[in-house]
Amino acid sequence: EGQLVESGGGLIQPGGSLRLSCAASGFTVSHRYLSWVRQAPGKGLEWVSIIYSSDTTYYADSVKGRFTLSRDNSKNMLYLQMNTLRDEDTAVYYCARDLLGSDRFYYAMDVWGQGTTVTVSS
Amino acid sequence: QSALTQPASVSGSPGQSITISCTGTGSNVGGYNFVSWYQQHPDRAPKLIIYDVSNRPSGVSNRFSGSKSGNTASLTISGLQAEDEADYYCSSYTSSDTRVFGTGTKVTVL
Repeated sequence: EGQLVESGGGLIQPGGSLRLSCAASGFTVSHRYLSWVRQAPGKGLEWVSIIYSSDTTYYADSVKGRFTLSRDNSKNMLYLQMNTLRDEDTAVYYCARDLLGSDRFYYAMDVWGQGTTVTVSS
Repeated sequence: QSALTQPASVSGSPGQSITISCTGTGSNVGGYNFVSWYQQHPDRAPKLIIYDVSNRPSGVSNRFSGSKSGNTASLTISGLQAEDEADYYCSSYTSSDTRVFGTGTKVTVL
Protein backbone atom coordinates (compact mmCIF):
# COMPACT_ATOMS: atom_id res chain seq x y z
CA GLU A 1 0.00 0.00 0.00
CA GLY A 2 2.75 2.44 0.90
CA GLN A 3 3.97 4.55 3.76
CA LEU A 4 5.71 7.91 4.07
CA VAL A 5 7.69 9.14 7.08
CA GLU A 6 8.96 12.71 7.28
CA SER A 7 11.87 13.96 9.35
CA GLY A 8 14.19 16.94 9.63
CA GLY A 9 11.90 19.57 11.10
CA GLY A 10 12.94 21.83 13.93
CA LEU A 11 13.47 25.37 15.15
CA ILE A 12 15.43 27.59 12.79
CA GLN A 13 16.16 31.30 12.70
CA PRO A 14 14.85 33.51 9.90
CA GLY A 15 17.19 33.42 6.95
CA GLY A 16 18.39 29.93 7.83
CA SER A 17 18.22 26.67 5.92
CA LEU A 18 16.73 23.27 6.65
CA ARG A 19 16.38 20.03 4.72
CA LEU A 20 13.34 17.87 5.21
CA SER A 21 13.41 14.18 4.36
CA CYS A 22 10.61 11.81 3.48
CA ALA A 23 11.27 8.07 3.58
CA ALA A 24 9.03 5.95 1.38
CA SER A 25 8.25 2.27 1.84
CA GLY A 26 6.03 -0.12 -0.06
CA PHE A 27 6.50 1.63 -3.38
CA THR A 28 9.19 3.16 -5.55
CA VAL A 29 9.52 6.95 -5.43
CA SER A 30 10.87 7.20 -8.95
CA HIS A 31 7.61 5.82 -10.35
CA ARG A 32 5.29 8.17 -8.53
CA TYR A 33 4.16 11.79 -8.30
CA LEU A 34 5.13 13.13 -4.88
CA SER A 35 4.26 16.45 -3.25
CA TRP A 36 5.06 18.48 -0.19
CA VAL A 37 2.08 20.14 1.47
CA ARG A 38 2.27 22.41 4.50
CA GLN A 39 -0.12 23.63 7.15
CA ALA A 40 0.62 26.70 9.24
CA PRO A 41 -0.64 26.64 12.84
CA GLY A 42 -4.42 26.91 12.84
CA LYS A 43 -4.52 27.38 9.07
CA GLY A 44 -5.44 25.38 6.00
CA LEU A 45 -3.45 23.14 3.69
CA GLU A 46 -1.08 24.78 1.22
CA TRP A 47 0.46 22.89 -1.67
CA VAL A 48 4.22 23.58 -1.78
CA SER A 49 5.91 21.50 -4.46
CA ILE A 50 5.63 18.41 -6.63
CA ILE A 51 8.01 16.08 -8.45
CA TYR A 52 6.68 13.99 -11.29
CA SER A 53 8.00 10.62 -12.40
CA SER A 54 9.64 12.50 -15.26
CA ASP A 55 11.73 14.40 -12.66
CA THR A 56 9.93 17.63 -13.51
CA THR A 57 9.38 19.80 -10.46
CA TYR A 58 7.03 22.67 -9.74
CA TYR A 59 6.75 25.07 -6.83
CA ALA A 60 4.21 27.37 -5.26
CA ASP A 61 4.97 31.04 -5.87
CA SER A 62 5.46 31.51 -2.12
CA VAL A 63 8.54 29.23 -2.10
CA LYS A 64 9.84 29.48 -5.64
CA GLY A 65 13.54 30.28 -5.70
CA ARG A 66 13.97 29.33 -2.04
CA PHE A 67 12.89 25.66 -1.86
CA THR A 68 14.22 22.76 -3.91
CA LEU A 69 12.55 19.36 -4.20
CA SER A 70 14.64 16.34 -5.05
CA ARG A 71 14.65 12.59 -4.65
CA ASP A 72 17.22 9.85 -4.20
CA ASN A 73 15.98 6.78 -6.03
CA SER A 74 18.68 4.57 -4.52
CA LYS A 75 17.47 5.40 -1.02
CA ASN A 76 13.79 5.72 -1.97
CA MET A 77 13.75 9.14 -0.34
CA LEU A 78 12.26 12.54 -1.08
CA TYR A 79 13.87 15.76 0.11
CA LEU A 80 12.86 19.41 0.46
CA GLN A 81 15.75 21.83 0.78
CA MET A 82 14.48 25.04 2.30
CA ASN A 83 16.64 28.16 2.16
CA THR A 84 16.16 31.76 3.24
CA LEU A 85 13.43 30.69 5.63
CA ARG A 86 10.84 33.22 6.75
CA ASP A 87 8.48 33.40 9.70
CA GLU A 88 5.61 32.54 7.37
CA ASP A 89 7.25 29.20 6.49
CA THR A 90 6.40 27.97 10.00
CA ALA A 91 4.16 24.95 9.48
CA VAL A 92 3.73 21.22 9.62
CA TYR A 93 5.16 19.83 6.40
CA TYR A 94 3.63 16.70 4.92
CA CYS A 95 4.88 14.62 2.02
CA ALA A 96 2.16 12.93 0.02
CA ARG A 97 1.86 10.50 -2.86
CA ASP A 98 -0.50 10.67 -5.79
CA LEU A 99 -2.95 7.85 -6.36
CA LEU A 100 -1.99 5.52 -9.20
CA GLY A 101 -4.56 3.41 -10.99
CA SER A 102 -4.12 0.60 -13.46
CA ASP A 103 -3.75 2.99 -16.35
CA ARG A 104 -3.09 6.50 -15.07
CA PHE A 105 -2.31 8.81 -12.20
CA TYR A 106 -5.26 10.47 -10.51
CA TYR A 107 -3.89 13.85 -9.30
CA ALA A 108 -5.10 13.10 -5.80
CA MET A 109 -2.97 12.31 -2.75
CA ASP A 110 -3.81 8.93 -1.31
CA VAL A 111 -0.87 8.40 1.07
CA TRP A 112 0.34 11.03 3.52
CA GLY A 113 3.10 11.07 6.08
CA GLN A 114 2.51 12.10 9.67
CA GLY A 115 4.19 15.47 9.12
CA THR A 116 7.25 17.21 10.48
CA THR A 117 7.11 20.60 12.20
CA VAL A 118 9.21 23.53 11.06
CA THR A 119 9.32 26.61 13.26
CA VAL A 120 11.04 29.72 11.97
CA SER A 121 11.67 32.14 14.79
CA SER A 122 14.43 34.21 16.32
CA GLN B 1 -2.09 30.39 -7.28
CA SER B 2 -5.03 31.65 -5.24
CA ALA B 3 -6.69 29.13 -2.96
CA LEU B 4 -10.01 27.68 -3.99
CA THR B 5 -12.92 29.20 -2.07
CA GLN B 6 -14.80 27.13 0.50
CA PRO B 7 -17.25 28.19 3.22
CA ALA B 8 -15.50 28.52 6.56
CA SER B 9 -18.00 26.36 8.36
CA VAL B 10 -20.99 24.11 7.78
CA SER B 11 -23.07 22.39 10.41
CA GLY B 12 -25.82 19.81 10.57
CA SER B 13 -27.62 17.46 12.89
CA PRO B 14 -26.95 13.72 12.96
CA GLY B 15 -28.66 12.02 10.05
CA GLN B 16 -28.93 15.16 7.97
CA SER B 17 -27.10 15.89 4.73
CA ILE B 18 -24.73 18.79 4.23
CA THR B 19 -22.95 20.13 1.17
CA ILE B 20 -19.63 21.94 0.98
CA SER B 21 -18.82 24.03 -2.06
CA CYS B 22 -15.43 24.64 -3.63
CA THR B 23 -15.14 27.45 -6.17
CA GLY B 24 -12.21 27.95 -8.47
CA THR B 25 -11.64 29.10 -12.02
CA GLY B 26 -11.41 27.68 -15.49
CA SER B 27 -7.70 27.12 -14.88
CA ASN B 28 -8.35 24.60 -12.16
CA VAL B 29 -11.74 23.29 -11.04
CA GLY B 30 -13.59 24.28 -14.19
CA GLY B 31 -10.96 23.08 -16.61
CA TYR B 32 -10.39 19.55 -15.39
CA ASN B 33 -12.23 16.69 -13.73
CA PHE B 34 -9.36 16.36 -11.27
CA VAL B 35 -10.97 17.63 -8.08
CA SER B 36 -10.24 15.75 -4.87
CA TRP B 37 -11.50 16.10 -1.32
CA TYR B 38 -9.74 15.45 1.98
CA GLN B 39 -10.95 14.95 5.52
CA GLN B 40 -8.69 16.06 8.37
CA HIS B 41 -9.31 15.41 12.02
CA PRO B 42 -7.41 17.51 14.59
CA ASP B 43 -3.69 16.76 14.73
CA ARG B 44 -4.01 14.13 12.02
CA ALA B 45 -2.82 13.96 8.45
CA PRO B 46 -5.42 14.56 5.75
CA LYS B 47 -7.27 11.57 4.32
CA LEU B 48 -8.38 11.30 0.70
CA ILE B 49 -12.15 10.76 0.46
CA ILE B 50 -12.99 11.75 -3.14
CA TYR B 51 -10.90 11.89 -6.33
CA ASP B 52 -11.71 12.77 -9.94
CA VAL B 53 -14.71 14.84 -8.75
CA SER B 54 -16.87 11.93 -7.67
CA ASN B 55 -14.90 8.73 -7.12
CA ARG B 56 -14.36 7.22 -3.69
CA PRO B 57 -11.18 5.35 -2.76
CA SER B 58 -11.64 1.86 -1.43
CA GLY B 59 -12.80 1.89 2.18
CA VAL B 60 -14.40 5.35 2.13
CA SER B 61 -18.04 5.44 3.17
CA ASN B 62 -20.62 5.87 0.41
CA ARG B 63 -22.11 8.65 2.54
CA PHE B 64 -19.51 10.87 0.90
CA SER B 65 -20.25 11.97 -2.65
CA GLY B 66 -18.86 14.60 -4.99
CA SER B 67 -20.01 16.55 -8.01
CA LYS B 68 -19.03 19.51 -10.15
CA SER B 69 -20.76 22.21 -12.17
CA GLY B 70 -18.70 24.76 -14.01
CA ASN B 71 -16.07 26.23 -11.73
CA THR B 72 -17.65 24.89 -8.54
CA ALA B 73 -17.21 21.43 -7.05
CA SER B 74 -19.26 20.11 -4.17
CA LEU B 75 -18.90 17.50 -1.46
CA THR B 76 -22.06 16.07 0.10
CA ILE B 77 -22.07 14.15 3.34
CA SER B 78 -25.32 12.27 3.83
CA GLY B 79 -26.50 10.65 7.04
CA LEU B 80 -24.22 12.91 9.05
CA GLN B 81 -22.46 11.16 11.93
CA ALA B 82 -20.47 12.44 14.90
CA GLU B 83 -17.27 11.02 13.39
CA ASP B 84 -17.72 13.28 10.36
CA GLU B 85 -16.88 16.31 12.46
CA ALA B 86 -13.60 17.44 10.93
CA ASP B 87 -12.05 19.90 8.51
CA TYR B 88 -12.59 19.28 4.80
CA TYR B 89 -10.43 20.53 1.95
CA CYS B 90 -10.91 20.41 -1.78
CA SER B 91 -7.99 20.35 -4.18
CA SER B 92 -7.61 20.63 -7.92
CA TYR B 93 -5.07 20.04 -10.61
CA THR B 94 -4.21 23.29 -12.40
CA SER B 95 -3.30 24.41 -15.89
CA SER B 96 0.24 25.05 -14.63
CA ASP B 97 0.62 21.32 -13.85
CA THR B 98 0.51 22.16 -10.15
CA ARG B 99 -2.07 21.71 -7.40
CA VAL B 100 -4.15 24.09 -5.35
CA PHE B 101 -6.11 23.50 -2.15
CA GLY B 102 -9.29 25.09 -0.94
CA THR B 103 -9.49 27.35 2.07
CA GLY B 104 -11.01 24.58 4.16
CA THR B 105 -14.38 24.01 5.80
CA LYS B 106 -15.00 23.08 9.41
CA VAL B 107 -17.91 20.66 9.70
CA THR B 108 -19.73 20.63 13.01
CA VAL B 109 -22.21 17.95 13.98
CA LEU B 110 -24.79 19.56 16.23
